[in-house]
Amino acid sequence: KAGVTQTPRYLIKTRGQQVTLSCSPISGHRSVSWYQQTPGQGLQFLFEYFSETQRNKGNFPGRFSGRQFSNSRSEMNVSTLELGDSALYLCASSHRTGQENTGELFFGEGSRLTVL
Amino acid sequence: GIQVEQSPPDLILQEGANSTLRCNFSDSVNNLQWFHQNPWGQLINLFYIPSGTKQNGRLSATTVATERYSLLYISSSQTTDSGVYFCAVERIWSRDDKIIFGKGTRLHILP
Repeated sequence: KAGVTQTPRYLIKTRGQQVTLSCSPISGHRSVSWYQQTPGQGLQFLFEYFSETQRNKGNFPGRFSGRQFSNSRSEMNVSTLELGDSALYLCASSHRTGQENTGELFFGEGSRLTVL
Repeated sequence: GIQVEQSPPDLILQEGANSTLRCNFSDSVNNLQWFHQNPWGQLINLFYIPSGTKQNGRLSATTVATERYSLLYISSSQTTDSGVYFCAVERIWSRDDKIIFGKGTRLHILP
């Protein structure tokens, strides 16, 4: 069974640009969540999607957005990049359902973004 | 929101030693997981353990939900155990229904 796949693995952008990251969950998983990891702030929750709907959102500015498609694949977008957006972005999938809102998280290898 | 504290922040051990990593959380939770982050950044699942005790080879974990802590035990450490260990908690049906990570314990196993 394939794991969580994130693309691209590495990317370099300049300030002011935008970036789109992709995440394909484990087959059968309908919940996808995103996290940002930086040396200063650690691992922080960005948002979670379930059945194409955003279930929850962390404390990040509106420049950070996401969406989920009918096949459960998810994308996140960061617009008007800032130096502080340099981070490892991790995606996780889970078999959690709308009623049972807990479930084991399985992470991808991450997308490492550098903003120059 | 829920606060998650991990201790110790850093741990250096000789190969073959045993270790205990702790995760304290400030409120009741419905979900608790332990992860090991490998050198390439991927979070590897160790245990999904909202309560009780589980074992997997040299690793075991115990969560005492009523006392709001979890412990991760590593026995007979190997150099491949090096890395950062995170615990993550979640509390559903609350205003803060989202995954909260601790800051991690960085483990160095010396050959």
